[in-house]
Amino acid sequence: EDQVTQSPEALRLQEGESSSLNCSYTVSGLRGLFWYRQDPGKGPEFLFTLYSAGEEKEKERLKATLTKKESFLHITAPKPEDSATYLCAVGPRDSNYQLIWGAGTKLIIKP
Amino acid sequence: GAVVSQHPSWVICKSGTSVKIECRSLDFQATTMFWYRQFPKQSLMLMATSNEGSKATYEQGVEKDKFLINHASLTLSTLTVTSAHPEDSSFYICSARPRTGGGTDTQYFGPGTRLTVL
Repeated sequence: EDQVTQSPEALRLQEGESSSLNCSYTVSGLRGLFWYRQDPGKGPEFLFTLYSAGEEKEKERLKATLTKKESFLHITAPKPEDSATYLCAVGPRDSNYQLIWGAGTKLIIKP
Repeated sequence: GAVVSQHPSWVICKSGTSVKIECRSLDFQATTMFWYRQFPKQSLMLMATSNEGSKATYEQGVEKDKFLINHASLTLSTLTVTSAHPEDSSFYICSARPRTGGGTDTQYFGPGTRLTVL
């Protein structure tokens, strides 16, 4: 069964304290792994798409990496405005571009 | 680029009325559009997938006669909640997958519509 598990559920960091969010997945053929950021009361904002193991992508203080079993979202020297829920999703190759979603990690950056 | 809009952003209606939500891809054509529902502090729940010019495919447990989806063009999809009841109150979000160009595997999301049924 295709499945996505994100950990931790919540993470509280001090401003400037770097850390990583984990997304573990099992899927019968990976079309892509997707990271989104969601602020309260808003739709998810696209961050990254990763397609194959070993791939890495960066955007400002965020860096996403991918292995055959998991993905990490590394946050370097975070700022309070990075506070949000980060969602991970995988696209099985045999789906109609539908995504399997993780429950998300709520990140809180304290000033 | 890859901007998706939703209208209205929020709506309050009386029980028994119908509500239509529009989802538009503003700067790209969308082969596929998706409709999600999200409850407080929960992740996204896919309701249906629609391709332009085709009937929508509904997820198990989603009533197709209650949640009518029309994907009229490559830039517009609508979700109509018919005979709404308080239990239909939720946050509805659409997404769109670009037809061509880079990132065609990626879904881009609208800002969401908050529906409250009294």
